[in-house]
Amino acid sequence: EAGVTQFPSHSVIEKGQTVTLRCDPISGHDNLYWYRRVMGKEIKFLLHFVKESKQDESGMPNNRFLAERTGGTYSTLKVQPAELEDSGVYFCASSLLESGLPLHFGNGTRLTVT
Amino acid sequence: GDSVTQMEGPVTLSEEAFLTINCTYTATGYPSLFWYVQYPGEGLQLLLKATKADDKGSNKGFEATYRKETTSFHLEKGSVQVSDSAVYFCALILLSGGYNKLIFGAGTRLAVHP
Repeated sequence: EAGVTQFPSHSVIEKGQTVTLRCDPISGHDNLYWYRRVMGKEIKFLLHFVKESKQDESGMPNNRFLAERTGGTYSTLKVQPAELEDSGVYFCASSLLESGLPLHFGNGTRLTVT
Repeated sequence: GDSVTQMEGPVTLSEEAFLTINCTYTATGYPSLFWYVQYPGEGLQLLLKATKADDKGSNKGFEATYRKETTSFHLEKGSVQVSDSAVYFCALILLSGGYNKLIFGAGTRLAVHP
């Protein structure tokens, strides 16, 4: 089975620009999570979708971040406008609704804001 | 709040050396504990887990024992290989709103040289 896929793998943008990250979960996984690792720090939870609904978005840093999951399939995370402190690696993970575990992670998107 | 603390890296070892990466946690309740690994260019993979006190998780020669009295889950391997070079993340699972949420440590980079 295909794993969790994320696009792009790398993105370099200037401060003030907009970037959209995409995550395709494993087919049939209703749970979808976004995490972020800022350089050298812990991997922090951003938000959790159950199907198309936001179950928990307590980790979203501010209103410059917008996550969507239309139709309960793939998800996008948009940063607009990007700031320098948004640089880091953004991970997506998915899991089955019933068990919740294990979480299957994608390779991440490395975002650099200059 | 709930958190995970890992020893800072990088950890640099020669092949066949003994490895210990310390991990301690703070949590309300009784969490399950995990070690994840990220090899270069890849996503996070579950390495091992333990769900109750004195449980020992093991995989690929790595071991970690859930110590409730010291709130620790140290990762050990008796003889590391070059292929073990990666970033290792300790994590706990938190039940939030009926769903699982992973809380990660900052990660420890391991470099093994021949």
